[in-house]
Order: sequence, then structure tokens, then C-alpha cells
Amino acid sequence: GAVVSQHPSWVICKSGTSVKIECRSLDFQATTMFWYRQFPKQSLMLMATSNEGSKATYEQGVEKDKFLINHASLTLSTLTVTSAHPEDSSFYICSARRDVGNEQFFGPGTRLTVL
Amino acid sequence: EDQVTQSPEALRLQEGESSSLNCSYTVSGLRGLFWYRQDPGKGPEFLFTLYSAGEEKEKERLKATLTKKESFLHITAPKPEDSATYLCAVQRVNAGNNRKLIWGLGTSLAVNP
Repeated sequence: GAVVSQHPSWVICKSGTSVKIECRSLDFQATTMFWYRQFPKQSLMLMATSNEGSKATYEQGVEKDKFLINHASLTLSTLTVTSAHPEDSSFYICSARRDVGNEQFFGPGTRLTVL
Repeated sequence: EDQVTQSPEALRLQEGESSSLNCSYTVSGLRGLFWYRQDPGKGPEFLFTLYSAGEEKEKERLKATLTKKESFLHITAPKPEDSATYLCAVQRVNAGNNRKLIWGLGTSLAVNP
């Protein structure tokens, strides 16, 4: 149990285009999901917290208009990187917190490369 | 300021050589402490949650313990497949409804056959 999927697992795009990443909790409901970014050999950096049916809460320094988050159901949150640039290239990981319990369960991550 | 410090940064063991990883924390009221394992290029895998000092949890060769200032992840007779980065995170009591985690930088463990 507690499986989280992410799609796509990797994506390469041209500078200026937008990329959407999906995060799904497959066997549990998650009112709250989290989006992280991870640079090579560094720890997780929380970007934003996504709550079903309400606006996301962004961490300080994260551009809301650049990283659009939508949490339309109890099992799906999406992150859209708008007008992507090479500096947005990174490993993006989502997690979902089960409504019953306190643990976060992570997706496998999405490797974004912007050319 | 809330802080999580993991040590050592990197650890290399021989297969069968038991050791411990440390996670020390400074937080204004601990709600929970979490251990995760992360393999290269993958998302973290949940291992344990500890809530109160004195609590211990075990899973195969891993045992996590908690005091009021730190947590240890003990690895008994490790195997090469235990090689990974082990991440520690804490959650404050007054973390709000989102209950976000404060992460350490991790310990990179390599177990040689």
C-alpha cells in the first residue's frame, strides 16, 4: 500500500515551453501533497504544499506564476513549469500524505531537462 | 531556528560491519521524526516514524531510536543492497495543517561486498 506515481519520469523540452508533471496517490486518499526539488547530491527542497480544492502554499523564494500547482482531486496533483528555462532543469519529486496517518509517501521523481 | 543535522555525511562499510547513523535536531516541539531511504535517481522510500523519546522501531537490518535531542539509525550486518542515502526529517508540533517536514542533508552509505 501507499503507492505514489509520477508522470512523466523524465522530460526534455525547449526553453520557453511549459511542462506538466502529474502526481497520483494510487491506493489512498491524500488531501495534502507536496512538491520538492532536488539538485545533485543535495537534500530535498520543499517548493510548495498542495491542498485539494484550495490554493497551494508556496515556500519563500518559489515563484507562484512559474510553478503552477493544481490539486483537483484527492488523488491527483499537478505541477506545471511555465516558460521553462535551463535553470529550471532539476529532479522534481512529489509526495502525498495519507489522510489517515502522518507519513509522506514519495513518487519516483521526474527528471526535467530544459535545452 | 529549527534545524536537522545528519552525520556522518558519508559512510563506507564492509559487508557485515554494523554501524549507526545520527540525526540530531533542534525544533520547538517535536511532533514526529521520520527516516527515509533514497536510491540514486529515485524518490525517497519511507522507513520509520518515531514520536516520543525512548521509542524504537525495527525493519529487517535497520533499527531506529529516538531521544529528546537525536535519533539513531542502527544498521546491523549490512549488505551491499543497503547502500543508499538515508534521510532524516522532523515535524514540529505547531506545523499547521500542512505539517511540512524539515529535512537533514542525508548520510550516503556505501556497503562493500
